[in-house]
Amino acid sequence: EVQLVESGGGLVQPGGSLRLSCAASGFTFSSYDMNWVRQAPGKGLEWLSYISASGSTTFYADSVKGRFTISRDSAKNSLYLQMNSLRAEDTALYYCAKGLRGTRPDYWGQGTLVTVSS
Amino acid sequence: DIVMTQTPLSLSVTPGQPASISCKSSQSLLHSDGQTYMYWYLQKPGQSPQLLIYEVSSRFSGVPDRFSGSGSGTDFTLKISRVEADDVGVYYCMQGIHLPLTFGGGTKVEIK
Repeated sequence: EVQLVESGGGLVQPGGSLRLSCAASGFTFSSYDMNWVRQAPGKGLEWLSYISASGSTTFYADSVKGRFTISRDSAKNSLYLQMNSLRAEDTALYYCAKGLRGTRPDYWGQGTLVTVSS
Repeated sequence: DIVMTQTPLSLSVTPGQPASISCKSSQSLLHSDGQTYMYWYLQKPGQSPQLLIYEVSSRFSGVPDRFSGSGSGTDFTLKISRVEADDVGVYYCMQGIHLPLTFGGGTKVEIK
């Protein structure tokens, strides 16, 4: 059974940093592309970032480019999102999602909540 | 970026009746490889999104056959042949042909 468990969310002040983690199990993590997607409270889904199975290719939404960095550690079956220069508008539930074919998500974690507020 | 426009915003359906959701993309989702990268997700209340349909019409693992997807180019439809109580939630379409991946605004389905 595919399982994705996010962690690392919390309350952070504007301008602060946070590192999210996603622990993967139930599939060969090193063989699949991975994504981060977020959902602001009461809002829709916003794709943020993608990393290829090898980790050699990454893409970012314009809204987070230059502030967020996606990475992965296949030895630990883990995906990460380093978030810097956080803003109030980054407040959201952050999901990691496994790629089905390439980047397109199939399985999603339960999410970790990030709140940016002073 | 590709804009995905979903209609209606909400739907109230009697159990056992059909339901249909439309999604239009601002660009064709037909890739040069011959695939059309259109996806449908359901987010049940309090849960994370779950994939229902991929590449226009393929049902994902475990998805009941009362769910079906159709369409081509820029116009797509998700149909539920007989709505059940367990189908409530917000349905999202998503295009997977170009990054950034973009989602429709969602259609909230309720049971009458």
